[in-house]
Amino acid sequence: GDSVTQMEGPVTLSEEAFLTINCTYTATGYPSLFWYVQYPGEGLQLLLKATKADDKGSNKGFEATYRKETTSFHLEKGSVQVSDSAVYFCALSGSYNTDKLIFGTGTRLQVFP
Amino acid sequence: DVKVTQSSRYLVKRTGEKVFLECVQDMDHENMFWYRQDPGLGLRLIYFSYDVKMKEKGDIPEGYSVSREKKERFSLILESASTNQTSMYLCASLHTRPSAGGQGEQFFGPGTRLTVL
Repeated sequence: GDSVTQMEGPVTLSEEAFLTINCTYTATGYPSLFWYVQYPGEGLQLLLKATKADDKGSNKGFEATYRKETTSFHLEKGSVQVSDSAVYFCALSGSYNTDKLIFGTGTRLQVFP
Repeated sequence: DVKVTQSSRYLVKRTGEKVFLECVQDMDHENMFWYRQDPGLGLRLIYFSYDVKMKEKGDIPEGYSVSREKKERFSLILESASTNQTSMYLCASLHTRPSAGGQGEQFFGPGTRLTVL
């Protein structure tokens, strides 16, 4: 079945460092791909998404490119801030039910000043 | 702004109690979802609903049931709470219908942290 694999955390960075959080997926169809972020004490909110191969999603300085050839959707940011500290979830829409989301296990990011 | 609210942020119950978790959304969304979030496991889908009185099992429905009597409200029920149901429960809603092709954004509530003693 469809699945998402994310790098394990926590990822610990100093402010202004470059961030990459790896995400790869397995899907039988052509899913949409998502990154959600969960700030401490809150629910998840959509960070960015891409709906087809080679699309790049971007928001708040974060970006990710839908790579069909490597089945990846890695999250990147050029210069992280302390306020980016959160848990990041990669997700895909199900092949048979596109309204269902399949989530990775989440990656905690800690940014120190 | 879409708003999804959950009845409690924190809840403590005893083993064997019947527990109701309520979720309300204010954007007339057709689809609603209940997930549980556990460290190292991410989010796992318990149940979802396409419309009033309609429900579908997710990946881990055992020990849970749901009720959707009104479009804006989706309730998760633990008939007899057990300690392994201690978790964070997240509700979400989504606008599109399955036949139209999803790919839309799910909007999440703040979560209910349930502890079963």
